[in-house]
Amino acid sequence: DVVMTQTPLSSPVTLGQPASISCRSSQSLVHSDGNTYLSWLHQRPGQPPRLLFYKISNRFSGVPDRFSAGGAGTDFTLKISKVEAEDVGVYYCMQATQFPRTFGQGTKVEIK
Amino acid sequence: EVQLLQSGGGLVEPGGSLRLSCAASGFTFSRYAMNWVRQGPGKGLEWVSIIGGTSGDTESADSVKDRFTISRDNSKNMLYLQMNSLRVEDTAVYYCVGDGYDYWGQGTLVTVSS
Repeated sequence: DVVMTQTPLSSPVTLGQPASISCRSSQSLVHSDGNTYLSWLHQRPGQPPRLLFYKISNRFSGVPDRFSAGGAGTDFTLKISKVEAEDVGVYYCMQATQFPRTFGQGTKVEIK
Repeated sequence: EVQLLQSGGGLVEPGGSLRLSCAASGFTFSRYAMNWVRQGPGKGLEWVSIIGGTSGDTESADSVKDRFTISRDNSKNMLYLQMNSLRVEDTAVYYCVGDGYDYWGQGTLVTVSS
């Protein structure tokens, strides 16, 4: 199985300051079709997760442009340029290149 | 507007069975694969199963293989998860999820306890 490892697991941030989350996969996420099926999700307490980015850096509808994502192969990053109060919660990376689909452990973003 | 409305779930004893349902609307359901993803209490996300749109091909996590069955009825825009031989460790909120993890149901709690 592809193991997804996120760092840090907790990220206390000041409002208006940047935040960054790293995600590393145990194997390359490049699919035989040439795509890399790495997504980022955000989950607020008591809510279902919502998609932020798919195929590494494609922003999903409605996601603010203070969020950005990138990477390649086995190393990926999610960045928030200026954290806002609504950005708190847990962020997950996940891969849909191989079965079983796997998620990172989650990174909890909270306001200092 | 895409909607995934879940039903089913509840409390069941170990070894029991339960069926989850997910009613899809707002998109051409038959064109898309669908997933079930679960989240144990206070835990992260775990992928459970996927079913193809028209092929009906399925894949499941080893933890549920031979116990859980994913199915769909494209004529009714419905997704199902039949869960048999339930274990305490299957306790979780179960989500019905679109192919690209773009749309999620509201989640339904399954509690396995004696």
